[in-house]
Amino acid sequence: DELTQPPSVSVAPGQTATITCGGSNIEGKSVNWYQQKPGQAPLLVIYDDSDRPSGIPGRFSGSYSGTTATLTISRVEDGDEAAYYCQVWDGMADHVLFGGGTKLTVL
Amino acid sequence: EVQLVESGGRLIQPGGSLRLSCDVSGFTVKSSYMGWVRQAPGKGLEWVSVIYMSGSRYYAESMKGRFTISRDDSKNTLYLQLNSVRADDTAVYYCARCAMIRGVLFDSWGQGTLVTVSS
Repeated sequence: DELTQPPSVSVAPGQTATITCGGSNIEGKSVNWYQQKPGQAPLLVIYDDSDRPSGIPGRFSGSYSGTTATLTISRVEDGDEAAYYCQVWDGMADHVLFGGGTKLTVL
Repeated sequence: EVQLVESGGRLIQPGGSLRLSCDVSGFTVKSSYMGWVRQAPGKGLEWVSVIYMSGSRYYAESMKGRFTISRDDSKNTLYLQLNSVRADDTAVYYCARCAMIRGVLFDSWGQGTLVTVSS
């Protein structure tokens, strides 16, 4: 059971960052995304594929197609530099799966 | 305001036992799904366990039989009992409130408590 994310993504300020999460375990499941800055607890930024919790900027969006979910961060800011993790729930086994995480670097 | 505060992490020898606590405010554990997630130094997030409102409990395979999740509704506190700990259990352990939206997700997190397993 694996969710595959690229280890790192780099983007210049003001550009768009895309972070993918793939795997057969994703198909048909709701995908959630978390942001984790160094020394801090994770923060939910996208839930149920594409919904944003209150307080999360509209620059963060999520999408899903086939066996790949994508987190898109538009107009990237320095403060977006963090690790991002995808997560799904395997209802058949009542288990949680996290992706390996993607380190977003703002150049 | 929703708050979760973990405690109980410390240096412990391999094979030992430890209980982590998570005091919550702003909501009640008995009316929530609750979970634990850990993060080894420099590594990614790893799910540990979840407890449903009904009391049903689920564990990651590597922790099944060694870890026990529980809650005390009167104290509004979540616990994680760690037994037979190993060096690879060294991690920051996060307590989180869960929501069930087409599956479990973690919508509020504590700041974590560090467990170090070493002789």
